[in-house]
Amino acid sequence: GENVEQHPSTLSVQEGDSAVIKCTYSDSASNYFPWYKQELGKRPQLIIDIRSNVGEKKDQRIAVTLNKTAKHFSLHITETQPEDSAVYFCAATGPNFGNEKLTFGTGTRLTIIP
Amino acid sequence: SAVISQKPSRDICQRGTSLTIQCQVDSQVTMMFWYRQQPGQSLTLIATANQGSEATYESGFVIDKFPISRPNLTFSTLTVSNMSPEDSSIYLCSVGRGDTEAFFGQGTRLTVV
Repeated sequence: GENVEQHPSTLSVQEGDSAVIKCTYSDSASNYFPWYKQELGKRPQLIIDIRSNVGEKKDQRIAVTLNKTAKHFSLHITETQPEDSAVYFCAATGPNFGNEKLTFGTGTRLTIIP
Repeated sequence: SAVISQKPSRDICQRGTSLTIQCQVDSQVTMMFWYRQQPGQSLTLIATANQGSEATYESGFVIDKFPISRPNLTFSTLTVSNMSPEDSSIYLCSVGRGDTEAFFGQGTRLTVV
């Protein structure tokens, strides 16, 4: 089955700096890669996703890049703000998303230092 | 987007008892997924519930411990049976539709004493 590795497990950055979180996956059939943000005591919320036919996607301060050959994808947050502090999870799933499970990475606790 | 109502939001239970968690979705979905999130950990899939058939369990999870019902396309329950303190965790239901994002219920924080 799919295996998703995520690094780093913790990350602290100064407010205004950029943060990068990296994930690798094992199953070459995976083609949908969402990123979730989970604030303390709350449910995971999708913040951005990317499909295998796209190399990069951007939404304001958040971007995701995908390298299918190397089987890794990354989350980039620019101009970080205190409200970006949370745990971030990457995930991967196959072509029949909605009817297939998500495999999650181990999570990255991001702390923004004011 | 999908709206998922999950309850209870939290409970404190005695060891040896069982707790049933409910998830109600505002529209019909084929699959519903049940996850466990232990403190400070990632989400681990317990099982996939498909309406009209037996749930499919992941390695390490068994039906006797986590029986699941899926009576229709908008509702599912997960029971945590014969609980022990090791079952203390957050349990989340999730749905996905087509090629859209997965939506999560608000979670059930279970403490077993």
